[in-house]
Amino acid sequence: AQSVTQLDSQVPVFEEAPVELRCNYSSSVSVYLFWYVQYPNQGLQLLLKYLSGSTLVESINGFEAEFNKSQTSFHLRKPSVHISDTAEYFCAVSSSASKIIFGSGTRLSIRP
Amino acid sequence: ETGVTQTPRHLVMGMTNKKSLKCEQHLGHNAMYWYKQSAKKPLELMFVYSLEERVENNSVPSRFSPECPNSSHLFLHLHTLQPEDSALYLCASSQLGLAGDVTGELFFGEGSRLTVL
Repeated sequence: AQSVTQLDSQVPVFEEAPVELRCNYSSSVSVYLFWYVQYPNQGLQLLLKYLSGSTLVESINGFEAEFNKSQTSFHLRKPSVHISDTAEYFCAVSSSASKIIFGSGTRLSIRP
Repeated sequence: ETGVTQTPRHLVMGMTNKKSLKCEQHLGHNAMYWYKQSAKKPLELMFVYSLEERVENNSVPSRFSPECPNSSHLFLHLHTLQPEDSALYLCASSQLGLAGDVTGELFFGEGSRLTVL
């Protein structure tokens, strides 16, 4: 069975500081990995995904994540955060047909 | 309209009421999903429909009854709910690959916030 663990429920950082949101997964087969973002009062939106190829994937707004098979991790990073990045971030994994499993989410709060 | 739309956005119901949540996708996708989002818990996958057939039912209580009349519409019928069923219910759609696996993006609606009194 698959599972996703997001180790931090909340991460407070100052504006323009770097941030890392941690995600670990467990699966006995090859996986596809995703990060979704949920802004207040909205549904989830795809931020980035890893399907195959380069283990480093990037989003259009400066986030990146690296697939590390040996550590079964897919941590999300941004070198300098902005107030507009305040949201909840969900890591997700898919390896079986028609099913994506989500983590419990990490709430990122940015302080000016 | 574009994307995935859910109605109503907010619903308050008593434990003896019967109500329905509606989801509509305008993306031409072949799969639709219901997720339950409760505070401080992982999103719980409830039901998956692929080409209008239910392919996933994660041990959801029978007081939740899904219906998928066509590939664009998905309903969640609610009856005799409990207060612990209060949550945000999210609908999503995607285009499954040839093997039926989810390699693409899930498109979510904004959710229906349900409160059971």
